[in-house]
Amino acid sequence: AQSVTQLGSHVSVSEGALVLLRCNYSSSVPPYLFWYVQYPNQGLQLLLKYTSAATLVKGINGFEAEFKKSETSFHLTKPSAHMSDAAEYFCAVSVDQAGTALIFGKGTTLSVSS
Amino acid sequence: DTAVSQTPKYLVTQMGNDKSIKCEQNLGHDTMYWYKQDSKKFLKIMFSYNNKELIINETVPNRFSPKSPDKAHLNLHINSLELGDSAVYFCASQYRDKGYNSPLHFGNGTRLTVT
Repeated sequence: AQSVTQLGSHVSVSEGALVLLRCNYSSSVPPYLFWYVQYPNQGLQLLLKYTSAATLVKGINGFEAEFKKSETSFHLTKPSAHMSDAAEYFCAVSVDQAGTALIFGKGTTLSVSS
Repeated sequence: DTAVSQTPKYLVTQMGNDKSIKCEQNLGHDTMYWYKQDSKKFLKIMFSYNNKELIINETVPNRFSPKSPDKAHLNLHINSLELGDSAVYFCASQYRDKGYNSPLHFGNGTRLTVT
């Protein structure tokens, strides 16, 4: 069985500060991990995904995530937050790199203040 | 230009009614999904069709019936609506054939409110 846990349902940062959104996974098979972003009243958009090719994955909008097997983590970071980054972020795990039957975490709301 | 479009965007209805939500994608994808997002924003997969064949059917009440008339459409019909069905329903699609897997493209959601 697979699952993901996102630590912190709400994260607040100042504009220009480091963004760190935490995700830990549980999987009995090698996991494929994803981060999605959801802006208000919109569907989800893929930020990045880990498919075992490289442990440090770079995504869109300056986000990146590092897969750490020893810590079963896949935390999302961005060096400098922008106001436009305010959104809901979801970590997800799948049994394949296609993202079939994604299992989502409960989401983290990111607020950015000026 | 919308890649994955869902109609209606909002749906308010009474308990016991039957309603349908439609989804269409113009991306040429071969796989489509329905996800449900509850009031706490928790997302869970409901169904998936690949080339009009049902490939994922999670534990969902049989009041929910997906229908895929062709690869570009996946509709969701819900019978005897209950209060607990209130949620945002997202359609998504991707291309999975011949060893290439595209990212999932999500629609903007249908907010269903059952009163």
